[in-house]
Amino acid sequence: DAGVTQSPTHLIKTRGQQVTLRCSPISGHKSVSWYQQVLGQGPQFIFQYYEKEERGRGNFPDRFSARQFPNYSSELNVNALLLGDSALYLCASSLQTGHTDTQYFGPGTRLTVL
Amino acid sequence: GQQLNQSPQSMFIQEGEDVSMNCTSSSIFNTWLWYKQDPGEGPVLLIALYKAGELTSNGRLTAQFGITRKDSFLNISASIPSDVGIYFCAGQGAQKLVFGQGTRLTINP
Repeated sequence: DAGVTQSPTHLIKTRGQQVTLRCSPISGHKSVSWYQQVLGQGPQFIFQYYEKEERGRGNFPDRFSARQFPNYSSELNVNALLLGDSALYLCASSLQTGHTDTQYFGPGTRLTVL
Repeated sequence: GQQLNQSPQSMFIQEGEDVSMNCTSSSIFNTWLWYKQDPGEGPVLLIALYKAGELTSNGRLTAQFGITRKDSFLNISASIPSDVGIYFCAGQGAQKLVFGQGTRLTINP
């Protein structure tokens, strides 16, 4: 079975631009979460979506937004890019949402902001 | 952002040695997870712990969920070259995972 897939794998943008990252969860998983991983640190939680509704949001500015589609895939949008947005953006999927629903990660999208 | 305290930050060992790393939190978590991340890839789940005091093994890996629910450790026995990578602990809340800073493992053949 296919795991979590993300596209694109790499992306280069300039400051002020907007970017859209995409994620397809494991088949049967209804929850998608997004994390930002800056070089040398652990991933930081951005959003969680379940059944197309936002269930959780991390400490990120309003420039970050996301949505989940009826087929449970998801998009993460970042507006007005800053140099500090350069990071590996990880998508994780789980069956549902809760303390025991294990999250499985995709390979990530490497975003570089120049 | 919130992070767990993971130690050591890096380890340099000889092939065949055992490895131990741990993670502590000021908050209680009902689930602890250990992931391994190779360069340019996403974290891969190694072990999930769901009950305080639980000791779980996965091959050469053994992890324990602390009784206070504020800590966990991971042991790797008889290390091999493919164990090289960054290991992350994570506490699972209702909506999110909170990660440690990672332990970078380097193995000298």
